[in-house]
Parts: sequence; structure tokens; C-alpha cells
Amino acid sequence: AQKITQTQPGMFVQEKEAVTLDCTYDTSDPSYGLFWYKQPSSGEMIFLIYQGSYDQQNATEGRYSLNFQKARKSANLVISASQLGDSAMYFCAMETGANNLFFGTGTRLTVIP
Amino acid sequence: KAGVTQTPRYLIKTRGQQVTLSCSPISGHRSVSWYQQTPGQGLQFLFEYFSETQRNKGNFPGRFSGRQFSNSRSEMNVSTLELGDSALYLCASRWEPAGAPYNEQFFGPGTRLTVL
Repeated sequence: AQKITQTQPGMFVQEKEAVTLDCTYDTSDPSYGLFWYKQPSSGEMIFLIYQGSYDQQNATEGRYSLNFQKARKSANLVISASQLGDSAMYFCAMETGANNLFFGTGTRLTVIP
Repeated sequence: KAGVTQTPRYLIKTRGQQVTLSCSPISGHRSVSWYQQTPGQGLQFLFEYFSETQRNKGNFPGRFSGRQFSNSRSEMNVSTLELGDSALYLCASRWEPAGAPYNEQFFGPGTRLTVL
């Protein structure tokens, strides 16, 4: 069975500081994809970053990077130089060969000016 | 390129009624997935369609059904609405290039359904 755990219901970060949002996962499938999505109050899910289970290097997309530790089954999202517009819900999700996107419960990030 | 569009954006129905939601994917995307988001259950996968065929299905009762047309547009239908069906329904599409095992889904703005 698949499982995604996000243990931080809410996080606060000062503007221009970096923040790490935690995500651990569990699956018996050796091939999987890990995703992070951002959901502002408007409701639309915005894709941020992707990491494949066989990727050797951590994924990066602009200010977003994914700290992938396969042995520990963790896929933490790092946001550098936080901006006020980063305030939103952040969801970690996993997809395997047999299953579509399976989401965690989310972390609400608030950026303080 | 236009993003994923969903209509209507808001909907109010009463128990026992049925509802149809529509989703137009990004041009060229043949995969369309539907998700339900509620405060209690979070984000849950409903089903996925690819080239007019249901490719994957989540754990929802048969009252939830969908279909996909030849132009990749998709509809989702919920019959005999219950109060618990009140939710944000999100549609997502993706392009599937050969050789890529997984690739991101692009979401629409959602349809917020309220069942009274």
C-alpha cells in the first residue's frame, strides 16, 4: 500500500529565508515518482517539482529543490528566499505504476514579512 | 497554450439530484484525471481516462462515473447526490512522452460543489 506522510500541518518562515517542508513516503513498488504541488487559496493545484525514484541527482526548479533520500524514504521540499506569494498549502504526492497520484495531507506555509 | 479549464466553477445541488462536471485538458494532452478534495478526506483520486478509455479508478462508489470524448474533453457525473459529496472537484491533464515513466499533471481551477 502507498502512504505519504506530511507531519507539519503548519509552518512559518520569514520573508527571504529558506524553509524545508517534510515528506516521507512508503511503497513496495521500486519505480515511482514524487511530486510537490502548491495550492493557493484560489484552489488551483500548481506543479512545483518532480523526482523519479531512479534519478541520481536531487531535482531543482528555480527556488525549489527536492532533498531526496531514498534509503530514508523522504522527499523534502526546500524553498529558498521565501516570498510573500509562497504562502499556500503544499502537498507531497507519489505515483506508482499501478496507481495515480496519492497525496499527503499537506502543509500550510505562511511567509511573514 | 491555454491551461486546463473546468466548468462550472461553482455548483449548488440538493440531495438526490445528479450533476455533471466538465473538463477541457491542455491541447495535446490525452490523459485526464479527476480528484475530489474535502477537508476531512483530503485529496483523493477518482479516475483517469486516456484516449477515451478509463485507465485507472480510485475507491469511490458507482455513483461516480466519467467519460472522455475523442477530443480528450472529459465529463464526470455524480448521481443521487449525498451531503458528503460536497467538495472541490479537480481535473488534471498530462502529456505522456514516450520513455517517461511519470510526468506532472496540470490541474484546472476546480469545480466547487455544494450539496444541500
